[in-house]
Amino acid sequence: EVELTQSPATLSLSPGDRATLFCRASQSVGGSYFSWYQQKPGQAPRLLIYATSIRATGVPARFSGSGSGTDFTLTISSLQPEDFAVYYCQQDYSFPLTFGGGTKVEIK
Amino acid sequence: EVQLLESGGGLEQPGGSLRLSCAASGFTFSTSAISWVRQAPGKGLEWVSAISGTGYNTYYADSVKGRFTISRDNSKNTLFLQMSSLRAEDTAVYYCAKDGQSPDARMVRGVFDYWGQGTLVTVSS
Repeated sequence: EVELTQSPATLSLSPGDRATLFCRASQSVGGSYFSWYQQKPGQAPRLLIYATSIRATGVPARFSGSGSGTDFTLTISSLQPEDFAVYYCQQDYSFPLTFGGGTKVEIK
Repeated sequence: EVQLLESGGGLEQPGGSLRLSCAASGFTFSTSAISWVRQAPGKGLEWVSAISGTGYNTYYADSVKGRFTISRDNSKNTLFLQMSSLRAEDTAVYYCAKDGQSPDARMVRGVFDYWGQGTLVTVSS
């Protein structure tokens, strides 16, 4: 099973700041089998990024993904008020599919 | 518009059974792989099970293997999760999630582009 470790657990930032979220896999998952999701309280998760760097439909350009192998990054270039949420990484390289533990982006 | 609507959650005793349903609309159901993903109260996301569009290929997390069964009725655009031998640790909101990147109806990829709103399963005596 591929374990995903997200860091930091919590990120305290202000609107307009740049946010950088990290996810490390316990083994290589290649370069095209990695996704990021956003979840707000009381809501279902929303797909942001898939195949490491492709933005899902309707996702603003301030969200970008990068990485390969075991290290992946989600960057939010300039935080908007609606971006404060929990973010999860996920791999679809192998079964069982796995998610990271999440990073909460909170208002400083 | 893609819609996924889960139902069937509720309170069940340890060792009991429940059957969850997910009614789908707005896309070609029979060619889309679908997964169940759960979230325990205050916790993160855990993938539970997936099924290909044809229904022939299924996958399970180790934590539910042998206790849960995923199936689908493509004539009714509905996904199911039969849950048995329920444990307290199965308590969670269960989401059905559409796979947006499956190459064809026989395969499962695991990129979830649409989610339902979830149904709460509580296992407690």
